[in-house]
Amino acid sequence: GAVVSQHPSWVICKSGTSVKIECRSLDFQATTMFWYRQFPKQSLMLMATSNEGSKATYEQGVEKDKFLINHASLTLSTLTVTSAHPEDSSFYICSAQTTSGTVGELFFGEGSRLTVL
Amino acid sequence: AQSVAQPEDQVNVAEGNPLTVKCTYSVSGNPYLFWYVQYPNRGLQFLLKYITGDNLVKGSYGFEAEFNKSQTSFHLKKPSALVSDSALYFCAVRDPVDQTGANNLFFGTGTRLTVIP
Repeated sequence: GAVVSQHPSWVICKSGTSVKIECRSLDFQATTMFWYRQFPKQSLMLMATSNEGSKATYEQGVEKDKFLINHASLTLSTLTVTSAHPEDSSFYICSAQTTSGTVGELFFGEGSRLTVL
Repeated sequence: AQSVAQPEDQVNVAEGNPLTVKCTYSVSGNPYLFWYVQYPNRGLQFLLKYITGDNLVKGSYGFEAEFNKSQTSFHLKKPSALVSDSALYFCAVRDPVDQTGANNLFFGTGTRLTVIP
């Protein structure tokens, strides 16, 4: 089946630094990837939709200058948390859809846990 | 607008007993419905989906779900629970009337299933 890989799985950083999280589709091309944020014991909150070769579409309330998304190729999207603060600590998950047209089925990465000290 | 409700935060069931995880939805058209499972510190794994056709959908690991249009429900079921089924389960919906082009899913808040040995 389709595999989506996220890296890193865990990251700890100091407040004020920037952190980049990668999301790769390993065995398929993904024109669209989604980035979610998940707080403890809560559901996934969609942050943005990332389309290859174009600007990401951010959900209301998500700061695009803080959460920079780049989808430079059909197999890679990156999320950069800029000037991270402790309140940015969370579990970030990406998903991707295949271009083969399977309706609605998304493939999820393993998630990246960010802890900002 | 589309939405998903999972009325139970927690479901406990004895090993070997049947399990049900409830989900109701609201969409403007005929829904696309999904169940995903999440293990600790992991991404989501696809279990099953309903797009059209037979109301009873069978998925991975022996799970099944029944689409009930009159009750706007899509409850997840399994005839005999295993301890290894203990995880967080998410119901998700996509409204096919949504023509934004993004294959986005809206997730419920999740139900934590605990199977007791």
